[in-house]
Amino acid sequence: DIQMTQSPSSLSAFVGDRVTITCRASQGISDDLAWYQQKPGKAPKRLIYFASRLQTGVPSRFSGSGSGTEFTLTISSLQPEDFATYYCLQHNGYPFTFGGGTKVEIK
Amino acid sequence: EVQLVESGGGLVQPGGSLRVSCAASAFTFGEYWMTWVRQAPGKGLEWVANINQDGGEKHYADSVTGRFLISRDNTKNSLYLQMNSLRVEDTAVYFCARRYYDILTGWHTDFDYWGQGTLVTVSS
Repeated sequence: DIQMTQSPSSLSAFVGDRVTITCRASQGISDDLAWYQQKPGKAPKRLIYFASRLQTGVPSRFSGSGSGTEFTLTISSLQPEDFATYYCLQHNGYPFTFGGGTKVEIK
Repeated sequence: EVQLVESGGGLVQPGGSLRVSCAASAFTFGEYWMTWVRQAPGKGLEWVANINQDGGEKHYADSVTGRFLISRDNTKNSLYLQMNSLRVEDTAVYFCARRYYDILTGWHTDFDYWGQGTLVTVSS
């Protein structure tokens, strides 16, 4: 199975800060990685697919990069509505696996 | 707009069975792979199962293999998850989701649309 190690598990940041979240795959997964945002009591919302493609309607302050085993989600200027939990997902091989999540909280 | 609406969750005793459903609308259901993802209370997301367009190809997480069965009825635009031999650790919100189809590559990839989820509680 492909393990996805996501870090950090939580972070505190100010509005306006630049935030970076990382996912490492236990083996190469090309660009078969997506990022999701989830708010309490809600379904996950797709932000990034194919590692770096921005989902239609998602603000451009979100960006994704990486290929192979190292991937990054960056929020260039954190906004109040961005406080949520973020997950990466690899769909390169079965079983599909999610990272453990990163909870982004207000500082 | 694409909609996925889950139903059928509830309280069931350990060892019992339950079937949850997902009603799809506003897209050609029979052209897409579909999936179930679950989330235990206060925990992260866990992929459960995928099914291809005609139901002939299915994949399961090790944690549910042999106990859960994913199926679909394209005439009813519906996805199902039959859960047998339920355990306390199966307690979770169960989300259905559509796998994205990338026109350029012809691949079905990650999950672009999600339902709101249905809660399954396994407890005596």
